Amino acid sequence: EVQLVESGGGLVQPGGSLRLSCAASGFTFSSYSMNWVRQAPGKGLEWVSYISSSSKTIYYADSVKGRFTISRDNAKNSLYLQMNSLRAEDTAVYYCARAASGYYLVDYWGQGTLVTVSS
Amino acid sequence: DIQMTQSPSTLSASVGDRVTITCRASQSISSWLAWYQQKPGKAPKLLIYKASNLESGVPSGFSGSGTGTEFTLTISSLQPDDFATYYCQQYNSYPLTFGGGTKVEIK
Repeated sequence: EVQLVESGGGLVQPGGSLRLSCAASGFTFSSYSMNWVRQAPGKGLEWVSYISSSSKTIYYADSVKGRFTISRDNAKNSLYLQMNSLRAEDTAVYYCARAASGYYLVDYWGQGTLVTVSS
Repeated sequence: DIQMTQSPSTLSASVGDRVTITCRASQSISSWLAWYQQKPGKAPKLLIYKASNLESGVPSGFSGSGTGTEFTLTISSLQPDDFATYYCQQYNSYPLTFGGGTKVEIK
């Protein structure tokens, strides 16, 4: 069974930093590209970042470019999102999401971790 | 970026109703469209991929159609478990983009 478990969310002040982690199990993590997708309270879904299986290809949404860094450790079956210079508008539930093999389709999602940026 | 426009934003319906949700892309995405269902406090769940393919385990009452820029999600007979918010998403290219969502409420 595919499982994606996020951690690392919490309350942080504007301008602060936070590192999210996603622990993957139930599939060969090193063979799949991964994404982070977020959802502000009461709002829709917003894609944040993508990393290919080998980490060679990385994309960011314009809203986070230059502030967020996606990375992965295939030996640890883990995905990360380093978030710096956080703003109030970054407040959201952050989901770790797997891309289906050979496609950009998001087929599995974690349960999400809440990041709140507030003073 | 490809913009995805969903309608309606809210839909009130009764158990047993046939429900149709529309999604339009700002440019052609071929059939690279997915539909997700999300319930409050839960992660989205994949229902339909490549516009019309039912994900394994999804009830056959769900169906998708369309190609290019116009797509629809149809629930043939609304069940109590189907009251949720539905999102379309294009995966033709990055950045991935989602429709604004359609909340299906009990009438």
